[in-house]
Amino acid sequence: AQKVTQAQTEISVVEKEDVTLDCVYETRDTTYYLFWYKQPPSGELVFLIRRNSFDEQNEISGRYSWNFQKSTSSFNFTITASQVVDSAVYFCALSEKWAGGGNKLTFGTGTQLKVEL
Amino acid sequence: GAVVSQHPSRVICKSGTSVKIECRSLDFQATTMFWYRQFPKQSLMLMATSNEGSKATYEQGVEKDKFLINHASLTLSTLTVTSAHPEDSSFYICSARDLGEPNYGYTFGSGTRLTVV
Repeated sequence: AQKVTQAQTEISVVEKEDVTLDCVYETRDTTYYLFWYKQPPSGELVFLIRRNSFDEQNEISGRYSWNFQKSTSSFNFTITASQVVDSAVYFCALSEKWAGGGNKLTFGTGTQLKVEL
Repeated sequence: GAVVSQHPSRVICKSGTSVKIECRSLDFQATTMFWYRQFPKQSLMLMATSNEGSKATYEQGVEKDKFLINHASLTLSTLTVTSAHPEDSSFYICSARDLGEPNYGYTFGSGTRLTVV
């Protein structure tokens, strides 16, 4: 069965610090997709990134960057120069395969990020 | 991009009554929709997967008779919490799949916060 582990329950940083959120996953499949979502206090899930298992290129989007390493089954997320608006719960998620149906997302337990002034 | 509308955003109901939550895909057809439940400070747990025109597939431990799911059209899925009790109080969030989206189909509604008194 697939599993996603986010060992960091809560992280507090001071604004402008860099912060890395860890994500480790388990899957038996060779084809899978990894996601990061942001959940602000309002509750909605904001999609941040999707990565498929065949694409190990790291990605940068503004202050966000992601490091995907299949060798260690990790998909870590770094926020550079954090801001108060980054305060939220961040979820890593895994979806196995992309067949005609039956796919579902498995979420990690989330990391609460608090960015203070 | 794909938009999923979920209503109501908040609902308070008396113990013993039933509550219906709607999840609509506004600009795409969703053959598959997912229903999640999230307790405070916890992760999203998949409750069931609904496919248009067929019975929903429930995750282990989810009571089918308590959480009725109907997916009668390609744009609408409903979750009815029957005979609600205070322990059913939670945040319910739906997701609809649109294969054309960069997040690979997992577009989330804004969630429904249910409080049973």
